[in-house]
Amino acid sequence: GIQVEQSPPDLILQEGANSTLRCNFSDSVNNLQWFHQNPWGQLINLFYIPSGTKQNGRLSATTVATERYSLLYISSSQTTDSGVYFCAVEEDSSYKLIFGSGTRLLVRP
Amino acid sequence: EPEVTQTPSHQVTQMGQEVILRCVPISNHLYFYWYRQILGQKVEFLVSFYNNEISEKSEIFDDQFSVERPDGSNFTLKIRSTKLEDSAMYFCASKRGTNSGYTFGSGTRLTVV
Repeated sequence: GIQVEQSPPDLILQEGANSTLRCNFSDSVNNLQWFHQNPWGQLINLFYIPSGTKQNGRLSATTVATERYSLLYISSSQTTDSGVYFCAVEEDSSYKLIFGSGTRLLVRP
Repeated sequence: EPEVTQTPSHQVTQMGQEVILRCVPISNHLYFYWYRQILGQKVEFLVSFYNNEISEKSEIFDDQFSVERPDGSNFTLKIRSTKLEDSAMYFCASKRGTNSGYTFGSGTRLTVV
């Protein structure tokens, strides 16, 4: 099955800093989503982005499907951005999301 | 914005007991899913459901697990005889069509004691 690798596994930032999270996947996909898991365990959908670039406030994402990677940019980070960020993909031959192991982000005040 | 609703948010049960986790997917969605996340680990696929039948299931989804969509709005996951290792967060998800994004519920935290 498809492999999804996220980097870095852990990231500590000072409030106000910018960061880039990466997601590599091993096969072609027809869906890619980024999620933020908050301290209460809820999975919050950030982007549905099988290709191209999207922006939502301080967050933006880019997926280059032909090169099998996606990037999540967080600018001017805030303490509320802390949590785990998951990339999840749906491969062409299947209708289920496969999650990466996540990037654990801690933003310090 | 439409939501996927899960109840209860937290359930504690004794080992060997049956539990039913409930979900109300978004009303015009056609594909339904259950995922689980053991504490500190990644989110794992359990089962997908489409057109009133299971379309795919993982190795985790053994004979102790079953799903049902009894009335066209609810989507349930039943664990017949719970084990300690079933303790996890269980997420329900739904999507409208094949080229749509997935919407996840807030999860049910199941603790087996």
